[in-house]
Amino acid sequence: DVKVTQSSRYLVKRTGEKVFLECVQDMDHENMFWYRQDPGLGLRLIYFSYDVKMKEKGDIPEGYSVSREKKERFSLILESASTNQTSMYLCANSDRALGEQYFGPGTRLTVT
Amino acid sequence: AQSVTQLDSQVPVFEEAPVELRCNYSSSVSVYLFWYVQYPNQGLQLLLKYLSGSTLVKGINGFEAEFNKSQTSFHLRKPSVHISDTAEYFCAVTKTSYDKVIFGPGTSLSVIP
Repeated sequence: DVKVTQSSRYLVKRTGEKVFLECVQDMDHENMFWYRQDPGLGLRLIYFSYDVKMKEKGDIPEGYSVSREKKERFSLILESASTNQTSMYLCANSDRALGEQYFGPGTRLTVT
Repeated sequence: AQSVTQLDSQVPVFEEAPVELRCNYSSSVSVYLFWYVQYPNQGLQLLLKYLSGSTLVKGINGFEAEFNKSQTSFHLRKPSVHISDTAEYFCAVTKTSYDKVIFGPGTSLSVIP
């Protein structure tokens, strides 16, 4: 059974903390994505990566950075967490040939 | 730029009744279209996709969707819903498999016993 795992299901952090969200896939897919999901706004793309050590900004990259040192692992970093970054964070990956995305279970982050 | 509209944010429907969830997209080029479902406290999973060929696409759990290029629509249908279909449904579009995927805001389907 293929898997996309995210390091935490629930996370509570304080304003100003540095936060790491990790995503690991066992599907050997080149493309990996980080989204945030907010009610009424759907999914918004933060960053994506088409290859190891490669990253591209999505639609809302401000306040975030990413790291992809290995093909299977894609990390999202909140440099200095703020309350407006309280959200559900979803990691996904895709096969370039077909475009279908496979999602992890999500991390619900609360910044207080 | 591409965009996706899901006109209904919430759709309540009685069990065993038919349902249609509407999706319209804007794009000046050929697109790939997807419907994803998100059950409570889970990530998204693919229901069905249109890449090319027949405009009527069948997916999992008895869902189907019809691609209408002239109306730029990709509406999702099911002839008889079950309680277990209660979930959030997202329509998505991309120009190619190498491109970003744009998601709609989602439609919350509530099936009433």
